[in-house]
Amino acid sequence: DAGVIQSPRHEVTEMGQEVTLRCKPISGHNSLFWYRQTMMRGLELLIYFNNNVPIDDSGMPEDRFSAKMPNASFSTLKIQPSEPRDSAVYFCASSPGQGQAGANVLTFGAGSRLTVL
Amino acid sequence: AQSVTQLDSHVSVSEGTPVLLRCNYSSSYSPSLFWYVQHPNKGLQLLLKYTSAATLVKGINGFEAEFKKSETSFHLTKPSAHMSDAAEYFCVVSDVLNNAGNMLTFGGGTRLMVKP
Repeated sequence: DAGVIQSPRHEVTEMGQEVTLRCKPISGHNSLFWYRQTMMRGLELLIYFNNNVPIDDSGMPEDRFSAKMPNASFSTLKIQPSEPRDSAVYFCASSPGQGQAGANVLTFGAGSRLTVL
Repeated sequence: AQSVTQLDSHVSVSEGTPVLLRCNYSSSYSPSLFWYVQHPNKGLQLLLKYTSAATLVKGINGFEAEFKKSETSFHLTKPSAHMSDAAEYFCVVSDVLNNAGNMLTFGGGTRLMVKP
């Protein structure tokens, strides 16, 4: 398995532009997570899906952020409009899901480094 | 409620000397505990996990951790540091009664520096 695949690896954009980050979880994993990592706040959980359904989006900072999971093999995190304070590394992670062996073990992607100028 | 505290934000050791990264947790139930490592510009990788079996857990790259319930600790150790161990390490706690991933709580991280 190629692991969790994220794209783009790096994105530089200007304030006000729309940003879309993409994630392909490990095949067979039922849970998918989006995290944001910054020096100031460390690792923050933004949203969590189980079987393609958003379960907990309480970590999404504001309405400018949205996430979708149209099928089991693809998820997007969108920021519109982007602001400089959104600059961070965004990680996607997947796990086997509730009730399965290793349910709590996350496999992380390599991250998408976003810079908003 | 659960929480995890990594007692040192930075640890510096010389190559070939022992490594100790400290982690204390609080949990309402019997927790699962994990250590993840993050090398520069990489994602987090699982080092080892404790899930109520043996209290001494061996992980990859020679790391191990001991679950001590009486001390609510899960410190990470390695007998001899290697230059490639330089990275950030995260201690993570999860309440085992809830297998939902959103119950994972990450510590603030410890940056390990290894001097030649």
